[in-house]
Amino acid sequence: GEKVEQHESTLSVREGDSAVINCTYTDTASSYFPWYKQEAGKSLHFVIDIRSNVDRKQSQRLIVLLDKKAKRFSLHITATQPEDSAIYFCAASWANYNVLYFGSGTKLTVEP
Amino acid sequence: DPKIIQKPKYLVAVTGSEKILICEQYLGHNAMYWYRQSAKKPLEFMFSYSYQKLMDNQTASSRFQPQSSKKNHLDLQITALKPDDSATYFCASTPGLGAYEQYFGPGTRLTVL
Repeated sequence: GEKVEQHESTLSVREGDSAVINCTYTDTASSYFPWYKQEAGKSLHFVIDIRSNVDRKQSQRLIVLLDKKAKRFSLHITATQPEDSAIYFCAASWANYNVLYFGSGTKLTVEP
Repeated sequence: DPKIIQKPKYLVAVTGSEKILICEQYLGHNAMYWYRQSAKKPLEFMFSYSYQKLMDNQTASSRFQPQSSKKNHLDLQITALKPDDSATYFCASTPGLGAYEQYFGPGTRLTVL
């Protein structure tokens, strides 16, 4: 099955700086790549996704890049704020399929 | 109002016992899922259901049995509990099968002593 590796287990940035979280996947058939945020003691909340027909997607301060050749995707959070502090999970899935394979999570801390 | 309800929020069980985790969603979705989050495996897909039918099962153990009595309900029965089953169990849902944003419930934190 698909294996998703999330490279940074922790990441600390200063408020206002950018944060980048990188993930790689193994299955070339994967074509859907969502990101989820989990604040301390809470559930998961969808933040952004990208599908394999594009290589970049932006939603406000969030940018997702996809490199299909390298089987790599990344989440860029620009102009970070303290409320961005959370654990971020990347995931991968096949098209028209509902099973999400998650990475191990990156704990992002945004310091004031 | 919460759109996905999971009950109970916390659950403590003894080894060998059986428990049922409840999930109800009020989003009008047709597909529901169970995930497990533990220290060993941060987020692990368990089951998916669509229109009350099992679509995918990636749980090796038959001790875990999903039950869907209504389209918006997907409970999880766990028998012969082991300490390794200790985890937070999340229910999620999507409008249908396919690559959609998944909406997660608040989770049930299970501790097996």
